[in-house]
Amino acid sequence: AQTVTQSQPEMSVQEAETVTLSCTYDTSESDYYLFWYKQPPSRQMILVIRQEAYKQQNATENRFSVNFQKAAKSFSLKISDSQLGDAAMYFCAYRNPWWDDMRFGAGTRLTVKP
Amino acid sequence: KAGVTQTPRYLIKTRGQQVTLSCSPISGHRSVSWYQQTPGQGLQFLFEYFSETQRNKGNFPGRFSGRQFSNSRSEMNVSTLELGDSALYLCASSPVVAGPSQFFGPGTRLTVL
Repeated sequence: AQTVTQSQPEMSVQEAETVTLSCTYDTSESDYYLFWYKQPPSRQMILVIRQEAYKQQNATENRFSVNFQKAAKSFSLKISDSQLGDAAMYFCAYRNPWWDDMRFGAGTRLTVKP
Repeated sequence: KAGVTQTPRYLIKTRGQQVTLSCSPISGHRSVSWYQQTPGQGLQFLFEYFSETQRNKGNFPGRFSGRQFSNSRSEMNVSTLELGDSALYLCASSPVVAGPSQFFGPGTRLTVL
């Protein structure tokens, strides 16, 4: 079964600094999707960034970028120029392209200090 | 386009009762998935519907059921509520089955007393 592990329950970053959130996953599939979702106190899950496993190029979305290491089954999220509004729970997620069963990690709570 | 909507947003029930939650996907989206989020178990997949058919089901007891209507709106039902069913129930929609993007609603917070 596919599992997703986020080993950092909490992280803290100074405003305007850079922070990296870690995620590892376990799968025997070669084709899949990986996601980072943000869940602020409002509890609305917001898609931050997506990576298709067949793409070698790391995905980027403005200040957010990933380091996708397929062989190591690692998928970390880098947030540059951190802003107060980035404070939230961040969930790493895995999805098999044939089934709509998305597996989530336990989450990392990110605090941004002014 | 309007996002995924879920009703009600908050619900309080007592043990033994049943509850129905509703989810309206983004217009044009035909796949709807449901998730349960609790502090102890995290986010867990409940089931997924596409074109009124349940395609996949998570590891939950039969008290949890759902359905999807022809307009893609989905309902989730929990019968004989237990205290452990207290959770945030999230609905997500996709244009296609198991597609690369899944968009979440704001959730329904269910409290069982």
